[in-house]
Amino acid sequence: DTGVSQDPRHKITKRGQNVTFRCDPISEHNRLYWYRQTLGQGPEFLTYFQNEAQLEKSRLLSDRFSAERPKGSFSTLEIQRTEQGDSAMYLCASSLDVVFGNTIYFGEGSWLTVV
Amino acid sequence: QQPVQSPQAVILREGEDAVINCSSSKALYSVHWYRQKHGEAPVFLMILLKGGEQKGHDKISASFNEKKQQSSLYLTASQLSYSGTYFCGTPRGSGNTPLVFGKGTRLSVIA
Repeated sequence: DTGVSQDPRHKITKRGQNVTFRCDPISEHNRLYWYRQTLGQGPEFLTYFQNEAQLEKSRLLSDRFSAERPKGSFSTLEIQRTEQGDSAMYLCASSLDVVFGNTIYFGEGSWLTVV
Repeated sequence: QQPVQSPQAVILREGEDAVINCSSSKALYSVHWYRQKHGEAPVFLMILLKGGEQKGHDKISASFNEKKQQSSLYLTASQLSYSGTYFCGTPRGSGNTPLVFGKGTRLSVIA
């Protein structure tokens, strides 16, 4: 399977703990995105990379969230000192960087439950 | 700014048609449509790039009117497999920027 893969698929953690999610994009895609989705809502943009450069972070992204893409391939999203409000599905997506109208492909998502 | 979708939810019997609308308060350069089934990731359906452009995917088609800053998704002769939540996404800025998604339209197709 050459789609976007995410790990772990499900994570239950206690409030205050740190969690890390990994994303492996489609191999030839140089753009990688992180979104968050809660029940009944559309995906909410968090941050994105072009190769290893982080180009934009949402103002909604608190300092407890950090993302990296060290070699321009896989990416990690870390949440420090988790809060119950962090419970959501974290979606990774990737695309090519084209001039106009890039198609974004999503991974299966990583479900986070903070108890 | 988040695009606005309507209706919020619709229930159809197999074989019936539906239209889902997506509108924006700002100029649109492209509109992207996705379908998401419960507990799964959004799946790409189609992208529309030009004013007045229409595209089709099986019995699902879409139109894009950039002057009116809106797009519509047409589902004809609906099948049970069409059930899910449909999202439209539009670029956050001009050019090739990440997408911002609407709140979705939940479509339920019943036998």
